[in-house]
Amino acid sequence: SQTIHQWPATLVQPVGSPLSLECTVEGTSNPNLYWYRQAAGRGLQLLFYSVGIGQISSEVPQNLSASRPQDRQFILSSKKLLLSDSGFYLCAWRVLAGGPRETQYFGPGTRLLVL
Amino acid sequence: SQKIEQNSEALNIQEGKTATLTCNYTNYSPAYLQWYRQDPGRGPVFLLLIRENEKEKRKERLKVTFDTTLKQSLFHITASQPADSATYLCALDRGSGTYKYIFGTGTRLKVLA
Repeated sequence: SQTIHQWPATLVQPVGSPLSLECTVEGTSNPNLYWYRQAAGRGLQLLFYSVGIGQISSEVPQNLSASRPQDRQFILSSKKLLLSDSGFYLCAWRVLAGGPRETQYFGPGTRLLVL
Repeated sequence: SQKIEQNSEALNIQEGKTATLTCNYTNYSPAYLQWYRQDPGRGPVFLLLIRENEKEKRKERLKVTFDTTLKQSLFHITASQPADSATYLCALDRGSGTYKYIFGTGTRLKVLA
């Protein structure tokens, strides 16, 4: 069965420091991958979407970037964190075959607090 | 611009009653709509998907309706239980087969024993 991992689970970082969040998927090939941010009291905001290695679309202009160095690995990065980057970061994948293609499966999330 | 609205106020209901949550949208016509459940500190979990040509979809104690004229979806939990307490999110596709979604802010449901 498919599994999605995210780490770390919790992170406290000072303003201006770099960031690297990792997401990996097991049990599937060539998934579509997503990064979302969920701020307190707000809905999930789509940050990045990837259909394959090196293929990433950015949805919101910001100081974050994403990379997909391997088929089942998706990384969210920042060179300098802002206070507004605090939130709950969720990675998700979408099945391309063998089930409803519209459904997304979310990871456990990373809670980021920028101080 | 595309917009989704869910009742941001928490919904408290008594155990055994039917909970009804609302999702309204404006400025576009999605091909389908999804409902997810999110527990505190966890990622959302998919519950149901309903397409624009479907009026109603059921899964066990869950029922979803989709009214494209009213631009509204209703999510019902019958015979609610305390374990149903969670935040429920609706999500709509952006259209054109993009597989990108817009999520509502969610409605927090609390089922009282």
